[in-house]
Amino acid sequence: DTAVSQTPKYLVTQMGNDKSIKCEQNLGHDTMYWYKQDSKKFLKIMFSYNNKELIINETVPNRFSPKSPDKAHLNLHINSLELGDSAVYFCASSLTKYEQYFGPGTRLTVT
Amino acid sequence: GQNIDQPTEMTATEGAIVQINCTYQTSGFNGLFWYQQHAGEAPTFLSYNVLDGLEEKGRFSSFLSRSKGYSYLLLKELQMKDSASYLCAVRATGGYQKVTFGTGTKLQVIP
Repeated sequence: DTAVSQTPKYLVTQMGNDKSIKCEQNLGHDTMYWYKQDSKKFLKIMFSYNNKELIINETVPNRFSPKSPDKAHLNLHINSLELGDSAVYFCASSLTKYEQYFGPGTRLTVT
Repeated sequence: GQNIDQPTEMTATEGAIVQINCTYQTSGFNGLFWYQQHAGEAPTFLSYNVLDGLEEKGRFSSFLSRSKGYSYLLLKELQMKDSASYLCAVRATGGYQKVTFGTGTKLQVIP
């Protein structure tokens, strides 16, 4: 009974490709997030959805497009991948105002 | 905006006590979280402080002083498995209460 799951766990792709990462939570939380953790281990918020509505949209290239089909899912699509997109992407969820639960991460390598 | 500072690295001996500090500057404060992240894994929630004082949870305690913009995480009876990064995160006031993470403190526990 995984709480927050992400697929795939590893993603290796070439520059210019388009890829998607999926996230699902079975905790009944109303808020979901995407974070990027770079090689220096800095965890930076990218997007947040509350009840399927986009509430946080940080300064992220518009090549990144999140989609939340329902409260339990938040997917991230990335167009025209660049070398600098290589990082670990974490999905997380929470009840509003409470602690966040993180998925296992997706390690994206762009070559 | 928010600015969060933590030491980059610390080393401590098994069985000892270590204190990891976090200072923050924020335009509106609404709580502080501590997370633990083992290498190659997702962050996991440790503690939450919103009022001044000490919160104790087994071997881990977290302290907050809102007037000083200061928190610390205290780890007692250190074990080798405590070797990890410890992330301080501050929640802002406002509609969607965004959480901003510090860069983390990498703790190495040595025998």
